[in-house]
Amino acid sequence: ETGVTQSPTHLIKTRGQQVTLRCSSQSGHNTVSWYQQALGQGPQFIFQYYREEENGRGNFPPRFSGLQFPNYSSELNVNALELDDSALYLCASSSGQGEEQYFGPGTRLTVT
Amino acid sequence: EDQVTQSPEALRLQEGESSSLNCSYTVSGLRGLFWYRQDPGKGPEFLFTLYSAGEEKEKERLKATLTKKESFLHITAPKPEDSATYLCAVRPGGGNKLTFGTGTQLKVEL
Repeated sequence: ETGVTQSPTHLIKTRGQQVTLRCSSQSGHNTVSWYQQALGQGPQFIFQYYREEENGRGNFPPRFSGLQFPNYSSELNVNALELDDSALYLCASSSGQGEEQYFGPGTRLTVT
Repeated sequence: EDQVTQSPEALRLQEGESSSLNCSYTVSGLRGLFWYRQDPGKGPEFLFTLYSAGEEKEKERLKATLTKKESFLHITAPKPEDSATYLCAVRPGGGNKLTFGTGTQLKVEL
């Protein structure tokens, strides 16, 4: 059984640029949630995708957007990057909307 | 708004010295309290889900308990490999997002 994978591992971007992060869900999981984790903080919920539809969103501006594909993999897009967007971005998959969420290793984004 | 507070922020134990981590929460209609372990620079690793007051779950040296206002993660005779940050999260009734605390950073020394 393959766990949750994310790419890339690390990324350095300049303020104002755009970035796309990718996530492959665990085998058999149809729900993907994205979280932002700043240094020393707990993960903050960005949004969740279930069967290719956004299914809940946290307090993040519209420049954070996402997609889920028919194979349940997902992308997180962030436009107009700001310095405060520097964080570990985590993807978690689950077998349903309310089941246990299993996290990937994360993508470390640094905005300079 | 859902809130999760974890204490202490950091804990240093000697190997074999048992202790407990606390997670206090306020949530509208708890639909699950979750414990995760996170190693530096890695994603959280799922440990337990608790659903109702009085419920307990165990895994190796860890035992999680739940009341109507808080959860405890008891660590019995810890080993250095138990060193990590332990995160607590809640899911509200009618919602799917997890609200996390800031974690307890545990260090177990020889």
